[in-house]
Amino acid sequence: NAGVTQTPKFQVLKTGQSMTLQCAQDMNHNSMYWYRQDPGMGLRLIYYSASEGTTDKGEVPNGYNVSRLNKREFSLRLESAAPSQTSVYFCASSLGRGELFFGEGSRLTVL
Amino acid sequence: SQQGEEDPQALSIQEGENATMNCSYKTSINNLQWYRQNSGRGLVHLILIRSNEREKHSGRLRVTLDTSKKSSSLLITASRAADTASYFCATDKAAGNKLTFGGGTRVLVKP
Repeated sequence: NAGVTQTPKFQVLKTGQSMTLQCAQDMNHNSMYWYRQDPGMGLRLIYYSASEGTTDKGEVPNGYNVSRLNKREFSLRLESAAPSQTSVYFCASSLGRGELFFGEGSRLTVL
Repeated sequence: SQQGEEDPQALSIQEGENATMNCSYKTSINNLQWYRQNSGRGLVHLILIRSNEREKHSGRLRVTLDTSKKSSSLLITASRAADTASYFCATDKAAGNKLTFGGGTRVLVKP
């Protein structure tokens, strides 16, 4: 049982480049989330999707876009990467208003 | 701003001792959750306590919730070196369907 799978695990970008972080879950969960974690700041919610076909902004959505492709997949896109987006990105999923299951993270560096 | 704030930010104890960390939050909640994160890994759910519950146990973990003070505590009894990790509280606000994380407590258990 894979749980939540994120790709890529590591990525280095130059300022202005674009990229998409992929996330897939195999637990038939309705809700999916993208968080970023910066040193000493805990996790901050970027976007979430309560169910297939819906997405909502979280605390720090600027500079990001998301797509809930189907029930399994939720992608995060950086259209024009900036150094301030250097972070560790976590995808998570949940059945409803309960426990979140996290992926192992995607470590992004923007030069 | 973060909904939950953990205290202390860091804690160092000897194996066998108890570790206590606290979480304060600002608005009414549906539930409060605690997560553990080992270095370089994703977060793992530990325990969920609902707003109408005051105390919950899971193995060596004890969580309390005081909604009048908007605070929660996590106690790890008889700590082990393997408990070395960062611990985060997360609040599910009464309105909405998303978790907000605090900055975490880094726990070091020395053998």
